This record gives sequence, C-alpha cells and structure tokens, in this order.
Amino acid sequence: GNSVTQMEGPVTLSEEAFLTINCTYTATGYPSLFWYVQYPGEGLQLLLKATKADDKGSNKGFEATYRKETTSFHLEKGSVQVSDSAVYFCALSEGNNDMRFGAGTRLTVKP
Amino acid sequence: DTEVTQTPKHLVMGMTNKKSLKCEQHMGHRAMYWYKQKAKKPPELMFVYSYEKLSINESVPSRFSPECPNSSLLNLHLHALQPEDSALYLCASSHILQGDTEAFFGQGTRLTVV
Repeated sequence: GNSVTQMEGPVTLSEEAFLTINCTYTATGYPSLFWYVQYPGEGLQLLLKATKADDKGSNKGFEATYRKETTSFHLEKGSVQVSDSAVYFCALSEGNNDMRFGAGTRLTVKP
Repeated sequence: DTEVTQTPKHLVMGMTNKKSLKCEQHMGHRAMYWYKQKAKKPPELMFVYSYEKLSINESVPSRFSPECPNSSLLNLHLHALQPEDSALYLCASSHILQGDTEAFFGQGTRLTVV
C-alpha cells in the first residue's frame, strides 16, 4: 500500500537557519504529494503541493520538488523564522481520496 | 468560503454517553473525511464519504458511526467510547476523485472520554 516516511524530529534551529525535512514515499502509481503544517491546537493547513514528477511546490518561502527517481519530496526553507515553529506532515494521495500522512516532524525555531 | 467548520471544539463525555461531532463545509466539495489524531502522531484516516456515500471505512469500531446527511454536512456519532478513544478528531473535505486536489481541514474537536 501507499506510505510516507518522514525524517524523525524534533528539529530545533536558530532563526535564519536553513531547513530541510526529508520525506520519501511508496506508491503503486503516480501520487500527488503535499506538505501540511499544524500549529499548536489547530487543524492542518496545506503548505504546498506537487502533482507530477519534477514539479516544484512553493509557498511562504518553503519549497519541495517531486523527485520520482528518488521517490522523495523534501521540504526546504532558506531562512526559518520563529513563527515557522509547528509540526510538518508530508502526505500523498493517489486519486482515490485516500490521503496518507507521514509521522510528522516537529520544528522549533529559537530566536 | 474556504473553511471547514467543526463543532464542538472540545467535548468531554462519559463511557455511557451518546454524542455527535459535526462538520460543515460550503466549498462544493463532494468528498468528506474523518481523521483521528492522537498526541504527537499523524492523522489516521477513519472514514471517507464520496457523493454522500461511505467509500472508505478503515476498520473503525462500530462505536463510531459516521453520517453524511447532505453534501455540506458530515457527522460522527459516538456511543460507548473508551478512554483510549480520547483524541483530536479532524474533519476534512476535498473535490472528488482528483488526486491533485488538497484536502481542507477543520480545527478539530478535542475529545476526552472519562
């Protein structure tokens, strides 16, 4: 079945540091890939998405590129802010409305 | 309107109680979902409704009973729950059968079973 594997956290960075959160996936076909963010006490918000190989999703300074050859969708940001502290979930969906999430990576950014 | 609204935000119930969680969206989405999220864990899919019909049931115990009365509403009826059912219950919606369409999530109902 389909699955997503994320790097384990927690991740603690200083403000303006570079962020990478690794995500790899297993799928039988050609899934769409997503990054969601969850702030404390809230639901999930879509951060970015990519629907086919080599697509790059981007939003709020975050980027991720759909790499079919390595089955990866790593999240990056060049300069994190304290307000980026949250839990980040990588997810995939293969067109049957069955969205699967990775374990989540907790990011803490310190001033 | 890009919101998914869930009520109540918090719920405490005894193991013999019957309660319902409610979810509403007005984005014209015809797929609606219930997820369960335990602390420090990812959301786990429970049910999916497509065109108001149950399309996915992830072997959820019968003490959880979903209902989709119309294309905007999704309920989760709770009966005889156990303390281990305490969690954040998230509702989501999306366009149907389009894998590239993201799901929109509500803020969740934090359920505590005592």
